[in-house]
Amino acid sequence: QQQVKQSPQSLIVQKGGIPIINCAYENTAFDYFPWYQQFPGKGPALLIAIRPDVSEKKEGRFTISFNKSAKQFSLHIMDSQPGDSATYFCAAIFAGNQFYFGTGTSLTVIP
Amino acid sequence: NAGVMQNPRHLVRRRGQEARLRCSPMKGHSHVYWYRQLPEEGLKFMVYLQKENIIDESGMPKERFSAEFPKEGPSILRIQQVVRGDSAAYFCASSRDRVDYGYTFGSGTRLTVV
Repeated sequence: QQQVKQSPQSLIVQKGGIPIINCAYENTAFDYFPWYQQFPGKGPALLIAIRPDVSEKKEGRFTISFNKSAKQFSLHIMDSQPGDSATYFCAAIFAGNQFYFGTGTSLTVIP
Repeated sequence: NAGVMQNPRHLVRRRGQEARLRCSPMKGHSHVYWYRQLPEEGLKFMVYLQKENIIDESGMPKERFSAEFPKEGPSILRIQQVVRGDSAAYFCASSRDRVDYGYTFGSGTRLTVV
């Protein structure tokens, strides 16, 4: 059973576009929602994270929108660049020791 | 200030052999987590360890897989009698303490079973 559902599986945007990746969860006990960026051959790297008491968080060109009532959250990448091409994973965690990851979104930003 | 170190980066084993994957956590981190990533899938939690203790192994297959984190040395994920379905990338993450959400992942070990 997939605890965190992520979509789309892949995404192609032009440089400067705003790709949006969506995730949904069921377990209301989750209390931390990070996004990870993974380049080929590398481990996932923490990009940005949000707690459920906040509806939006921005860090540079990356924004998380969080809808607690709908149990959904999304990642927006402003002014996307070819260097943003990577696989993005959303995750949800509770009790501080176990992540549930989404299945990933492969993003390609075309120059 | 090295990050989480995993070795080897690539490991090729024949069916039936044993695979040993090593993970050295970041300095000051005493909690280690192992994840498996299959092609086109997200990361799946396998096991959570502290020094000399297995805290949560709910994601570990019941047979052939084991993990340890001894008092001295790296954490080891051991897969006995490997099969083709074990081919995957195995990632290790570490954190300072249980409620610390600052997980840091290593670059992974890519296991190929031939």
